[in-house]
Amino acid sequence: DTEVTQTPKHLVMGMTNKKSLKCEQHMGHRAMYWYKQKAKKPPELMFVYSYEKLSINESVPSRFSPECPNSSLLNLHLHALQPEDSALYLCASSQLHGGAFYEQYFGPGTRLTVT
Amino acid sequence: LAKTTQPISMDSYEGQEVNITCSHNNIATNDYITWYQQFPSQGPRFIIQGYKTKVTNEVASLFIPADRKSSTLSLPRVSLSDTAVYYCLVDAVTGGGNKLTFGTGTQLKVEL
Repeated sequence: DTEVTQTPKHLVMGMTNKKSLKCEQHMGHRAMYWYKQKAKKPPELMFVYSYEKLSINESVPSRFSPECPNSSLLNLHLHALQPEDSALYLCASSQLHGGAFYEQYFGPGTRLTVT
Repeated sequence: LAKTTQPISMDSYEGQEVNITCSHNNIATNDYITWYQQFPSQGPRFIIQGYKTKVTNEVASLFIPADRKSSTLSLPRVSLSDTAVYYCLVDAVTGGGNKLTFGTGTQLKVEL
């Protein structure tokens, strides 16, 4: 199984809502990532979990809160978002050896719209 | 500051070889350079990864010069289905530490 799944595929939320994005992989990968991608732009790294611990936080606003409950699951909790947070949110996973990041497998993304 | 730049777009015809270059003027010495393909409304898909010199797999080749300040993805015989955006991904050295950074992306359009 070389698939990364993400739910939901689409999400529309108001600025006062709380929602969560979910990501799952069963490849035994020990690194998991969240990226944000705006239209016609490259993905931007938000968070990296290594061995279920947050290893990289790219100065993301606190209205985005990641969680890694176990080695297969990754969540992104959303609260009080702004319209400019509307984007495609991508999850990825990879092997991790000695701190080097290897081939990442990406999910299809969640298209988030904040109204 | 590290910059990771690519040509905005390239046009080609079926059966031709396409070379896409990524310039990364300041990358970590110990990490890989990776290339991805992305279709609209999908996540990026791994193409090839290398550290130095040349790497080849069943779909592409990757050329990395000794100074590692650039890399070139070579697609040997493109088809219509290769129309997509191509990104390089590097571990760039920045003022605040290393950062996984995608290149600016190259839209490849393949025509008959």
